[in-house]
Amino acid sequence: RKEVEQDPGPFNVPEGATVAFNCTYSNSASQSFFWYRQDCRKEPKLLMSVYSSGNEDGRFTAQLNRASQYISLLIRDSKLSDSATYLCVVTLSGTYKYIFGTGTRLKVLA
Amino acid sequence: EPEVTQTPSHQVTQMGQEVILRCVPISNHLYFYWYRQILGQKVEFLVSFYNNEISEKSEIFDDQFSVERPDGSNFTLKIRSTKLEDSAMYFCASTWGNTEAFFGQGTRLTVV
Repeated sequence: RKEVEQDPGPFNVPEGATVAFNCTYSNSASQSFFWYRQDCRKEPKLLMSVYSSGNEDGRFTAQLNRASQYISLLIRDSKLSDSATYLCVVTLSGTYKYIFGTGTRLKVLA
Repeated sequence: EPEVTQTPSHQVTQMGQEVILRCVPISNHLYFYWYRQILGQKVEFLVSFYNNEISEKSEIFDDQFSVERPDGSNFTLKIRSTKLEDSAMYFCASTWGNTEAFFGQGTRLTVV
């Protein structure tokens, strides 16, 4: 089983739509969780950290479910500029290695 | 805003040649990383570096790879004898601890 698993997509949604991505991780000792955004041929950029209590930043909401070992990202009122690949990233307790999922590609259509 | 910087942005090299990729991590960070991403594939961990030594490395990071922090600011990745399959985007990253990692803009390595 992959350490961090994501649906690769692509998700094609119209502007203004709400879209949700899920990510599952295999190691219950996973400690920290993040969503990064990656534009084509660019570096991953932090979108948001994911906390146990869930967190929101503007149109973006992240949730963590430790019992089921999944993380979600919800994007409301999608903009054309949200088109990118969204990377789920996990670190394990006792290590500072960041483990990446394959990413989910989002395309917001006009 | 502090950032991780990498040079060069693009490097073309012949198979069998040595390359050195350079990175300047964020100044007060303690942990440094190299990742690579083959075109169309996921971001893969190569190596982590803390307190002037390798703390963890992946199976990809074989004897052909080495890392160094020669002074207080630079962090380098050397590939001794490049192969065609080393062609990829190489990202350097740094972090304070178990918080978010910040990535450089990457070096695109093309081995011909």
